[in-house]
Amino acid sequence: DSGVTQTPKHLITATGQRVTLRCSPRSGDLSVYWYQQSLDQGLQFLIQYYNGEERAKGNILERFSAQQFPDLHSELNLSSLELGDSALYFCASSPGRGSTDTQYFGPGTRLTVL
Amino acid sequence: DAKTTQPNSMESNEEEPVHLPCNHSTISGTDYIHWYRQLPSQGPEYVIHGLTSNVNNRMASLAIAEDRKSSTLILHRATLRDAAVYYCILTRFGGSQGNLIFGKGTKLSVKP
Repeated sequence: DSGVTQTPKHLITATGQRVTLRCSPRSGDLSVYWYQQSLDQGLQFLIQYYNGEERAKGNILERFSAQQFPDLHSELNLSSLELGDSALYFCASSPGRGSTDTQYFGPGTRLTVL
Repeated sequence: DAKTTQPNSMESNEEEPVHLPCNHSTISGTDYIHWYRQLPSQGPEYVIHGLTSNVNNRMASLAIAEDRKSSTLILHRATLRDAAVYYCILTRFGGSQGNLIFGKGTKLSVKP
């Protein structure tokens, strides 16, 4: 158990809908990262927050957004969903800003868009 | 960012040592070498990391070449639970971004 929790575990929705994925980092960790894992693209970095502020952005679509709250939990919002958004979404946390920090990953949320 | 090259797959027998290679010929002096693994249906998990010297922990050992252009993750006695995809990743000390860049990794199969 990494100490990172993600809810829900599974999500099935339809195209055009909007969903919210939630992540609670390990106690004391200030950074939260979101990654997407699909069969054809592998594990891709989406976005990082550090202590409530956006720190780095990867291949995140404009339809996707995220935020980190004062209690340090984070939410990833996916809107106007398309079939291609079906994937595993992982959240990770680390104590500091990153660069050489160890990252601890949650169990993931499996999103299926029908 | 410096790239890493790993074999697509490897096989091992249970209770035998496994040596997983990684090439990183364009590594810079401030790049750390990290290994993560992803077991089936789970999120990635940290295995080990190092800068210049060899490193040991309860999970594995990391052997780093003297010129740092390659490294080897060593599992001393493979178990069925070690069957996973192993990722070798470089991160730069003081880098502006903290995210990990995952390649395709090495899929390790362990035979009983």
